[in-house]
Amino acid sequence: AQSVTQLDSQVPVFEEAPVELRCNYSSSVSVYLFWYVQYPNQGLQLLLKYLSGSTLVKGINGFEAEFNKSQTSFHLRKPSVHISDTAEYFCAVTVDYKLSFGAGTTVTVRA
Amino acid sequence: DTEVTQTPKHLVMGMTNKKSLKCEQHMGHRAMYWYKQKAKKPPELMFVYSYEKLSINESVPSRFSPECPNSSLLNLHLHALQPEDSALYLCASSPQGPTASQYFGPGTRLLVL
Repeated sequence: AQSVTQLDSQVPVFEEAPVELRCNYSSSVSVYLFWYVQYPNQGLQLLLKYLSGSTLVKGINGFEAEFNKSQTSFHLRKPSVHISDTAEYFCAVTVDYKLSFGAGTTVTVRA
Repeated sequence: DTEVTQTPKHLVMGMTNKKSLKCEQHMGHRAMYWYKQKAKKPPELMFVYSYEKLSINESVPSRFSPECPNSSLLNLHLHALQPEDSALYLCASSPQGPTASQYFGPGTRLLVL
């Protein structure tokens, strides 16, 4: 079965610093990968997704991710974070209609 | 309209009560989902509806009963819940197909006393 592993449970970061959230996937077939963000007391919002083609994917709010097939990774990056980026971030892989989420990474941005 | 709405936002119920959660979308999506999310955990899939028919039931206890009256509405009927069922219940919708992105509602925060 396909799954994802998020390597960091918590990432504290200072405002205007870069951040990278790591996600590895396991699959022997084609993968469709997603990053979702959940702000406090809200539902999930799609940041970006990789389906095929260019391995560098740009998303909303200045986030981007790189699909690396040889390392089976899909890491999320932002060059300069804001206080408002404080949230829970989930990497996910889909098979048919099922989204399989990683455990999540809590990002706390401090001034 | 790219929004999934859920009502109510908060719900407190006793173990003998019957209540319903409602979800609505007007994006023309033909797949709709219910998830359960405990604090500090990822969402767990409960049910999937495809073209108003239940296509996936992830071995959810029968005290949770989903219903899809039409292509825009999804309900989750609750009866005889347990305190451990307290959680955030998220609804989502998507177009058909494995590459489709799911759009999530804000959730209903349920407390079972």
